[in-house]
Amino acid sequence: NAGVTQTPKFRVLKTGQSMTLLCAQDMNHEYMYWYRQDPGMGLRLIHYSVGEGTTAKGEVPDGYNVSRLKKQNFLLGLESAAPSQTSVYFCASSYSKGSSYNEQFFGPGTRLTVL
Amino acid sequence: AQKITQTQPGMFVQEKEAVTLDCTYDTSDQSYGLFWYKQPSSGEMIFLIYQGSYDEQNATEGRYSLNFQKARKSANLVISASQLGDSAMYFCAMREAFFSGYALNFGKGTSLLVTP
Repeated sequence: NAGVTQTPKFRVLKTGQSMTLLCAQDMNHEYMYWYRQDPGMGLRLIHYSVGEGTTAKGEVPDGYNVSRLKKQNFLLGLESAAPSQTSVYFCASSYSKGSSYNEQFFGPGTRLTVL
Repeated sequence: AQKITQTQPGMFVQEKEAVTLDCTYDTSDQSYGLFWYKQPSSGEMIFLIYQGSYDEQNATEGRYSLNFQKARKSANLVISASQLGDSAMYFCAMREAFFSGYALNFGKGTSLLVTP
């Protein structure tokens, strides 16, 4: 099992450009998440999904959109990148709501720089 | 809203010694879960240990144990017999309920350096 994978691993964008980050998991997890990590800030939740075809906003959703067309994939889009979106982006997945344990499995991260 | 506080930005410990990383939390929920993750310099997030609010015993996983004091709302991570490979960032997190599901609310982390 590959677990949670993210592509790309690194990306440099110019202000105003758009891009999509892809997250894939092969554990048949219902829940998927996108976080961003900034220096000294820990991880903050951008968007999440509780199942195929559903998405919801997290703590810092502005400037991002997401889609979950297939259960195994969760896409994070930046329509018009800004320097404030320079960050490391982590995708994670977990079992269903019925599990109180709810351990999240993380991908390796994507380092994005917006110039 | 829930809140996780890690008051130690950086910690040093000598190899083979034990170290405690502090975590306090604030919640009005009766049912909650607390997690610790390790992030080495390579960047990946590694799950270490979990404690449920109704668990009667403190969680342990190998050299990691969680000192859970519910009344004080603290969930400190204890690493026994530190190793050089334990040098990393450590994050405390709480399971937080959102509108239609659950996610993790993370603290800002503690950087641990293990010295020979």
